Amino acid sequence: GENVEQHPSTLSVQEGDSAVIKCTYSDSASNYFPWYKQELGKGPQLIIDIRSNVGEKKDQRIAVTLNKTAKHFSLHITETQPEDSAVYFCAARKAAGNKLTFGGGTRVLVKP
Amino acid sequence: DAGVIQSPRHEVTEMGQEVTLRCKPISGHNSLFWYRQTMMRGLELLIYFNNNVPIDDSGMPEDRFSAKMPNASFSTLKIQPSEPRDSAVYFCASRGSGGAVVTQYFGPGTRLLVL
Repeated sequence: GENVEQHPSTLSVQEGDSAVIKCTYSDSASNYFPWYKQELGKGPQLIIDIRSNVGEKKDQRIAVTLNKTAKHFSLHITETQPEDSAVYFCAARKAAGNKLTFGGGTRVLVKP
Repeated sequence: DAGVIQSPRHEVTEMGQEVTLRCKPISGHNSLFWYRQTMMRGLELLIYFNNNVPIDDSGMPEDRFSAKMPNASFSTLKIQPSEPRDSAVYFCASRGSGGAVVTQYFGPGTRLLVL
């Protein structure tokens, strides 16, 4: 089955700096890659996703890149703010209808 | 839309008791997922349903766990008997189908503590 590895497990950045989280996946048939943000005491919330026919996607301060050949994808947060502090999860899925496989999560701390 | 609704939000029970967690998916969604989250094991998929039918229950830890989805708007996850190691946050998620609608939405979770 699919295996998703996520690094780093913790990330501390200064407010205003950029944060980058990387994930690798094992199944070349995976074609959908969402990123979730989980704040303390809440459920994970989708913040951005990318499909395999796209190499990069941006939404304000957040961007995701996908390298299908290398089977890795990354989340980039620019101009980090204290409210970006949370746990971030990457995930991968094959065809629609199948389950998501999640990475282990990255705890991001943005220091003011 | 109210999003995925879970109840109760918190549950404290004693070892050996039956625990029932409830989930109402987003209206119109046809896939429902139950996850368990712990510090040690992260986010684990327990079981998921498509059109009310269980598709993959390989993540269910043992026979003490069971899940049902009697209709498109309701699902339960039951633990009987409960054990301290079942203490975790349990999330329900739902997803629509068709076209580009593949986003999976999580509920707020049920925090379970088994004493």
